[in-house]
Amino acid sequence: GQNIDQPTEMTATEGAIVQINCTYQTSGFNGLFWYQQHAGEAPTFLSYNVLDGLEEKGRFSSFLSRSKGYSYLLLKELQMKDSASYLCAVKGNYGQNFVFGPGTRLSVLP
Amino acid sequence: DAGITQSPRHKVTETGTPVTLRCHQTENHRYMYWYRQDPGHGLRLIHYSYGVKDTDKGEVSDGYSVSRSKTEDFLLTLESATSSQTSVYFCAIANQGLASTDTQYFGPGTRLTVL
Repeated sequence: GQNIDQPTEMTATEGAIVQINCTYQTSGFNGLFWYQQHAGEAPTFLSYNVLDGLEEKGRFSSFLSRSKGYSYLLLKELQMKDSASYLCAVKGNYGQNFVFGPGTRLSVLP
Repeated sequence: DAGITQSPRHKVTETGTPVTLRCHQTENHRYMYWYRQDPGHGLRLIHYSYGVKDTDKGEVSDGYSVSRSKTEDFLLTLESATSSQTSVYFCAIANQGLASTDTQYFGPGTRLTVL
């Protein structure tokens, strides 16, 4: 079976750092993706990891450990506009197989 | 932004009626997907297409059918809508070449309410 787990909700303060975790158990692995989704909008691509380690893109970084089935998204210097849901998705061996986690709703407070 | 549109954007219908949602892309991407998004479930794949007239089922395909007669259009049909199909429906596209870095790009979504 396939299972992806994320915390349901998180709260952080403007200017702070927050780490959103994602654990997965999937049949085959061909990359892990993070998406951001503002309320009422479509998900938008944030980052991608296929090898172990940290990928940094500006204020956002994503980490992957394939042996542990674990990833996290790190958001630095939080801004109010970062309030959104963050979706973890794993791509399986077959190109069509994206499995999404339930998403983590992040609220950034002033 | 990837050129993906969905129509209609909002629809209210009654139980038992047929409904067709349309996804249109201008990116000439090979792969197209239909997802539904419900609270607590995240995005779940309904059907996908890997080329014209080539489609396959996803995780939650019961009660849905799809068609793709042209590269740019992917239609999702609810033959007889039920209240459990009330959801937000997202279309996505991907180039899905040999490079595994290919991600999906999502349309704006269709909010469907079945009364």
